[in-house]
Parts: sequence; structure tokens; C-alpha cells
Amino acid sequence: SAVISQKPSRDICQRGTSLTIQCQVDSQVTMMFWYRQQPGQSLTLIATANQGSEATYESGFVIDKFPISRPNLTFSTLTVSNMSPEDSSIYLCSAGGLAGSYEQYFGPGTRLTVT
Amino acid sequence: GDSVTQMEGPVTLSEEAFLTINCTYTATGYPSLFWYVQYPGEGLQLLLKATKADDKGSNKGFEATYRKETTSFHLEKGSVQVSDSAVYFCALTEIGGNTPLVFGKGTRLSVIA
Repeated sequence: SAVISQKPSRDICQRGTSLTIQCQVDSQVTMMFWYRQQPGQSLTLIATANQGSEATYESGFVIDKFPISRPNLTFSTLTVSNMSPEDSSIYLCSAGGLAGSYEQYFGPGTRLTVT
Repeated sequence: GDSVTQMEGPVTLSEEAFLTINCTYTATGYPSLFWYVQYPGEGLQLLLKATKADDKGSNKGFEATYRKETTSFHLEKGSVQVSDSAVYFCALTEIGGNTPLVFGKGTRLSVIA
């Protein structure tokens, strides 16, 4: 299994500013994913982050708004840029591709409020 | 593309009642199936999984059986507790942990004493 931590756990930000969310995994993983969960909703995939290559974004999400870094096999960041109140959500990272495992593990999430 | 459909909530049960949350899926290949649970204010925890037809995943008294013929993975528990109150998500992935999960919309369960 894998243990995933995220920082910050929550933040309140002003519109127009940017926030970078960090995701740390306690073991090397092939794939990391970033999801958004709006209040009372299911999870929506933002992007898939491979180490050493550009992130792959889902329809409706663009790199200028949600730049992602994946500098090594245990760490990734997601930046929410030029924030608006519509960006208020929980942002979750997950990791998968551990040797011999079909599972994906989730971080505790970052609860973002934009005022 | 792949999709997961699970029963709409919220579901409210009395303690010790029997729980079923229905989940059906469509997939182009042979998916692995999962149930995740999200307790209030927390992230997602893997509850159970099944990777091939007729597999039964189980954990903490919850069970689900991978039914390929009916493309279903219904979650059951014989006697729920107040501490089971949470949102439950059914999910699938096609190629193990290397592809994103496809989630259902989630079912909120409230158990009252």
C-alpha cells in the first residue's frame, strides 16, 4: 500500500491569486492523478501526471489554469491559478501503479475556499 | 467510454439494518472494480476490490461480488452501525493502477441509532 500526504489541508484564498498543492507519496509510484470534488459531488479527474513527461489533462481543464509538476516518482504539485469562487472545491491526489497492485490510494484532500 | 452507475442517495437506515447499494458498470475491456468510502471531512479510503469475475471483495463486514454477466458490483452489509455513515463510491479502472478511476456519483448513507 501507499500513504499519501497533501499540503495544505485547507486554505482560504482571494480571487485572482494562485495556490500550489503538494502531494507526497511514501513509495515510488508510476502514476499520480489529480481530482476535483465539488461540494456534495463525485470526483472529476483533472489530469494524469507521469514522471518526466507533461501532464495529460481532461476535457475542460487546461495547463494554464492547473499547471502540474511531477519532478520524481514520489511527489507532484497542482497549482490552481487566477482563482475564482468557482474553484472552491476539494482537490485530491491519488497514486497508482505500485508493483503488483491494481489499487489507487488517495491523499486526505485539500479543501480550498476562494472568496 | 467507461461509466459507473450507482443508486441515488441519500440512504437512511436504522442501526443493525441490512444495507445494499447497487452499482452497475459499462466498460470496453475487463475492468477491476472498487468501492471507496469517504467519511465526513476526510479523503477516500479503499473499502474493497475485485479484479475478476466472481471475485468477492470484503472488508469491515462489507462485501461485493464481481458479476460479469450482469455487469454489477453491489455493496452489501448485514448489520450497519452508526459509524458506517459516510459516502460510498463505486469505481472501476481498466488497467490496474495505471489508469484513472472512473467513479459513480456516490451514495450518502446515514445510519441512525
